[in-house]
Amino acid sequence: DTEVTQTPKHLVMGMTNKKSLKCEQHMGHRAMYWYKQKAKKPPELMFVYSYEKLSINESVPSRFSPECPNSSLLNLHLHALQPEDSALYLCASSPGPLAWPYNEQFFGPGTRLTVL
Amino acid sequence: QKEVEQDPGPLSVPEGAIVSLNCTYSNSAFQYFMWYRQYSRKGPELLMYTYSSGNKEDGRFTAQVDKSSKYISLFIRDSQPSDSATYLCAMTNMDSNYQLIWGAGTKLIIKP
Repeated sequence: DTEVTQTPKHLVMGMTNKKSLKCEQHMGHRAMYWYKQKAKKPPELMFVYSYEKLSINESVPSRFSPECPNSSLLNLHLHALQPEDSALYLCASSPGPLAWPYNEQFFGPGTRLTVL
Repeated sequence: QKEVEQDPGPLSVPEGAIVSLNCTYSNSAFQYFMWYRQYSRKGPELLMYTYSSGNKEDGRFTAQVDKSSKYISLFIRDSQPSDSATYLCAMTNMDSNYQLIWGAGTKLIIKP
């Protein structure tokens, strides 16, 4: 299995809802990432897990809560989001841990989130 | 000034043309350079990954890095309509913990 999968593909939620995004990879990669991408912009890094430990949190609001239950799975829990949080949420993984050189990042297809 | 500059386009060329996509950067410490292709409403797909200066070829794609000029290029030969996408450059080094620093992306349109 050589891909990163993300579910759901689309999600519409109200500002009071709680929802979760899921990401899986079975390539034995040691680092996993969450990115947010707005239209016509490059991806913005949100969180990085390295060896299942949160290594980087790019000052993301607490309404986004990441979780890495095991080496293959990454979740992003969403609560009390704002309409401006509507975006494409991308998961990525890379073979080595954070701070490895030549560490290609492989992206999933993303979850398109709309907050009403 | 942004660390990585990339013309957002759109760049429109006829099918079969040679396409040249470029990025300039300001941080001379960048060592690793990547090109990603992103189709509309999809995740980015890694096309090319190069270390330091030089050329790398993969099929119809050639990546060039000129560290002295702080300039990288992606050439696409015999362009096809299926190459129509947004092309993002990204780069990194040890100082940035190997996190990717992205260009804005260039939207490429190949006309049949």
